[in-house]
Amino acid sequence: EAGVTQFPSHSVIEKGQTVTLRCDPISGHDNLYWYRRVMGKEIKFLLHFVKESKQDESGMPNNRFLAERTGGTYSTLKVQPAELEDSGVYFCASSQDRGQKKQYFGPGTRLTVT
Amino acid sequence: GNSVTQMEGPVTLSEEAFLTINCTYTATGYPSLFWYVQYPGEGLQLLLKATKADDKGSNKGFEATYRKETTSFHLEKGSVQVSDSAVYFCALRGGSNYKLTFGKGTLLTVNP
Repeated sequence: EAGVTQFPSHSVIEKGQTVTLRCDPISGHDNLYWYRRVMGKEIKFLLHFVKESKQDESGMPNNRFLAERTGGTYSTLKVQPAELEDSGVYFCASSQDRGQKKQYFGPGTRLTVT
Repeated sequence: GNSVTQMEGPVTLSEEAFLTINCTYTATGYPSLFWYVQYPGEGLQLLLKATKADDKGSNKGFEATYRKETTSFHLEKGSVQVSDSAVYFCALRGGSNYKLTFGKGTLLTVNP
């Protein structure tokens, strides 16, 4: 069984540019989560999808971040325009049951904004 | 709100040394507690968990006991190997909440 995959593994962009991160969850997992780790700090929750619906986006930093999950399969996280403080590692996770099954994490996308 | 405080790293040990990484938490109710590990170039993997007070989670020689009285979940291993070199994250999930709250992570390097 394929695990959670994320693309790209690393992205370097300039301040003001746009970047789109992609996450492919494990097949059949309705729940998809985005987390972010800024250098040296905690991994923080960003948002949670159940199928194509956003259940909780309380962790999204501001309106420069837009997450979508059209069709309830893969998800994208767009940052537009990117700022220096957006640099970090963005993790995606998926699970079968909300709150009851373990979350399987992808390898993360390292975003560097210069 | 919920929070996790874990030992700052980096931690450098020789092979076969004893490992302790401290983790304490603040949460309402009765959270579930986790240790995740991230090996170089890989995603976060669940190492072990405990869902109620006095439970002991164990895996791959690692252990952690859920101590409600001290709000702690310290990670231990009696004899580390070079292959244990990784970043270790303590985390909690509060009650019916699905969100994971993580600590800052501790980088462990084990030298031969």
